[in-house]
Amino acid sequence: DVKVTQSSRYLVKRTGEKVFLECVQDMDHENMFWYRQDPGLGLRLIYFSYDVKMKEKGDIPEGYSVSREKKERFSLILESASTNQTSMYLCASNFAGGDYGYTFGSGTRLTVV
Amino acid sequence: SQQGEEDPQALSIQEGENATMNCSYKTSINNLQWYRQNSGRGLVHLILIRSNEREKHSGRLRVTLDTSKKSSSLLITASRAADTASYFCATDFNTDKLIFGTGTRLQVFP
Repeated sequence: DVKVTQSSRYLVKRTGEKVFLECVQDMDHENMFWYRQDPGLGLRLIYFSYDVKMKEKGDIPEGYSVSREKKERFSLILESASTNQTSMYLCASNFAGGDYGYTFGSGTRLTVV
Repeated sequence: SQQGEEDPQALSIQEGENATMNCSYKTSINNLQWYRQNSGRGLVHLILIRSNEREKHSGRLRVTLDTSKKSSSLLITASRAADTASYFCATDFNTDKLIFGTGTRLQVFP
């Protein structure tokens, strides 16, 4: 069964901490994405990556960075967590070239206190 | 915003009834996709329709696309309690990244 695995289901962190959210896919997908989901705002794209070591900003990259050192792993980093980054974070991946659906992970619900 | 917009925001029906959700978007697309999300979980891809297609079926799902009106609809026939979820449309705007709408919450009562 193909999978996108997010390392944590629930996470509680303190304001100012550096937070790492990990995502691993086993489908050899070129593209990987990080979204956050908030009530009433839907899913918003934070960052995405087309290839190893490649990254592009999405709609709301401020306060976040990413790392893709291996094809199967895409990490989202909150440099200094703030309470307004409390959210559900969703990782997804798909094949390049369009016309392919995304496979999502189960999500990480992050609370910053 | 390029974001697609679903209509209605919420829908409640009885088991066995059909559920129809609509999606509108603003600019040209390569394809449009529909996803389902069960409460608090990740999204599951349901169906993809290309811009040169008008209708597509998958089991009890029927999707239509009208590029002249920049709109799509998702029909779930003979709904079941297990169909209770949020449904999202997503458009690619001729790139590899998807822009999601805010979703329709569907409640199916037994």
